[in-house]
Amino acid sequence: NAGVTQTPKFRILKIGQSMTLQCTQDMNHNYMYWYRQDPGMGLKLIYYSVGAGITDKGEVPNGYNVSRSTTEDFPLRLELAAPSQTSVYFCASQAGGRGGELFFGEGSRLTVL
Amino acid sequence: EDQVTQSPEALRLQEGESSSLNCSYTVSGLRGLFWYRQDPGKGPEFLFTLYSAGEEKEKERLKATLTKKESFLHITAPKPEDSATYLCAVQVNTGGFKTIFGAGTRLFVKA
Repeated sequence: NAGVTQTPKFRILKIGQSMTLQCTQDMNHNYMYWYRQDPGMGLKLIYYSVGAGITDKGEVPNGYNVSRSTTEDFPLRLELAAPSQTSVYFCASQAGGRGGELFFGEGSRLTVL
Repeated sequence: EDQVTQSPEALRLQEGESSSLNCSYTVSGLRGLFWYRQDPGKGPEFLFTLYSAGEEKEKERLKATLTKKESFLHITAPKPEDSATYLCAVQVNTGGFKTIFGAGTRLFVKA
């Protein structure tokens, strides 16, 4: 069972470069999330989606963009990377409705130099 | 503004020394409160969901409780393998639902 798959696992970017973190889930979940986690900290919500074609901002959306063209995929786009975006990024999916468990990917570690 | 606060930031216990972790929340419409465990270099793993004040759930040495303003994760007779970061999260009703996390409590259990 694949669950939630994130790519790449590791990436080093130069300041000003752009990239896309990919996230795919095979559980037919409606809800998907992108979080970032800085060292020793909890997870901060960047963007989330409640279904294909619908996205909304979380707590820390600046410098990021998302799209949700299919139920399975929820890519996160970083434009003009900055050192403040150095972090571990987690994608998660949720069946939806009240109290549903979040299923997480293994994370993508991004360093901006 | 929806907010989740966990305390303490870190907790060091001896094996067998029971204790509790706290999660206090201020949200506009609580749909559920979650506890997750996170090991270093891994994504969070689901432990419990609590829905209403007075509810309790147990799993091995862990017991989660919920009041109208906070939740506790009680750890009874912990073992070194319980060492991890424990994250509290709340699902809030914003028209859709979103899930926001606290900063976590890092638990260290020494043999």
